[in-house]
Amino acid sequence: GAVVSQHPSWVICKSGTSVKIECRSLDFQATTMFWYRQFPKQSLMLMATSNEGSKATYEQGVEKDKFLINHASLTLSTLTVTSAHPEDSSFYICSARKGGGDTQYFGPGTRLTVL
Amino acid sequence: TQLLEQSPQFLSIQEGENLTVYCNSSSVFSSLQWYRQEPGEGPVLLVTVVTGGEVKKLKRLTFQFGDARKDSSLHITAAQPGDTGLYLCAGANDYKLSFGAGTTVTVRA
Repeated sequence: GAVVSQHPSWVICKSGTSVKIECRSLDFQATTMFWYRQFPKQSLMLMATSNEGSKATYEQGVEKDKFLINHASLTLSTLTVTSAHPEDSSFYICSARKGGGDTQYFGPGTRLTVL
Repeated sequence: TQLLEQSPQFLSIQEGENLTVYCNSSSVFSSLQWYRQEPGEGPVLLVTVVTGGEVKKLKRLTFQFGDARKDSSLHITAAQPGDTGLYLCAGANDYKLSFGAGTTVTVRA
């Protein structure tokens, strides 16, 4: 199997606070983990790519100081949205690459609402 | 600008009918993946196609990768209400995925 979990599944926070989202590969060691965001009625947009023990690579237009990614082990990556604002409200989804291929397995997503 | 163009954007059909979703690009991909996503959930992998011209069948679903590895199609035979969902294609290069905008499929009972 290739199961990826995310925690929490949803979170509501006040503007200016920080929120941490965890992504875990449950039954495999992930070569690489990815973070996406998805706005309503839109497709997935890649935010960053992370490998265990190294700094994440951010896509153009994504603020690395706002979206902190830590990839502590081969099964865990975290995304911290710092000083969140209402425009950061979105559906955040992580994925993990298993082995040497291109295939990514996705987590169930985290719905972030910033008030 | 979407790297991958998916069509149609919406598709509503009667149970038992067939449907085809297309995914086109001017870029060449090392592989192409199809996912299905339910509201409020993450995408679930349906298939990965790697070789140009490859055809893969998954029960009533048939996936084809173009010879030049730039386009793909998903064909569903005798669609059922359980096939309702958002279908996404994603092309891979350097292990990163670029997603199409998605096709919302509704199968009416």
